[in-house]
Amino acid sequence: QITLKESGPTLVKPTQTLTLTCTFSGFSLSTSGVGVGWIRQPPGKALEWLALIYWNDDKRYSPSLKSRLTITKDTSKNQVVLTMTNMDPVDTATYYCAHGVLVVVAAHFDYWGQGTLVTVSS
Amino acid sequence: SYELTQPPSVSVSPGQTARITCSGDALPKQYAYWYQQKPGQAPVLVIYKDSERPSGIPERFSGSSSGTTVTLTISGVQAEDEADYYCQSADSSGTSVVFGGGTKLTVL
Repeated sequence: QITLKESGPTLVKPTQTLTLTCTFSGFSLSTSGVGVGWIRQPPGKALEWLALIYWNDDKRYSPSLKSRLTITKDTSKNQVVLTMTNMDPVDTATYYCAHGVLVVVAAHFDYWGQGTLVTVSS
Repeated sequence: SYELTQPPSVSVSPGQTARITCSGDALPKQYAYWYQQKPGQAPVLVIYKDSERPSGIPERFSGSSSGTTVTLTISGVQAEDEADYYCQSADSSGTSVVFGGGTKLTVL
């Protein structure tokens, strides 16, 4: 049974750095073809993909946010960490992590965490 | 940057067929995936690799692909199918994951 859970601050101030942790179980991030992705959703708006890390440490980032994002994994702890710098109120959103499956050259997400709401406000 | 285009809303009566489209230039080269999201819940994968259905997803959900457009079809729509639906794919190189803007399905 695959499960994922996001953790981190619920409130951050503008210009601060956000650090989110995804803790998962039921799979290994050392298995070929597996990845973990981060997706966010501002209130009432659409899903937006942020970043993805694969079993082989290949990292992919949204082109529009690449300069602000860093994704890392700790396979022994079954955790993936996302950092986003220079937070702004427009970054207020529910942040999801999800189990990724590589098909040919790209991934999709078959299991999702419950999401964590991050509010950016002074 | 690469975009996937969906209609903002689709409305159908119970028992009818709902069709939700998603358009993108790279769709002939990349698989499409569909997610259902109900209010306050995380998305759920309902179609993968254009037309495959994960275990546990009702048979009334199906997917198809034609050129630069993919379609999610829900046959015999039920009230419980009312939700937001998102398509997802990748750019032509597979480097970036992309989500469509979402379609709100209303069951009248």
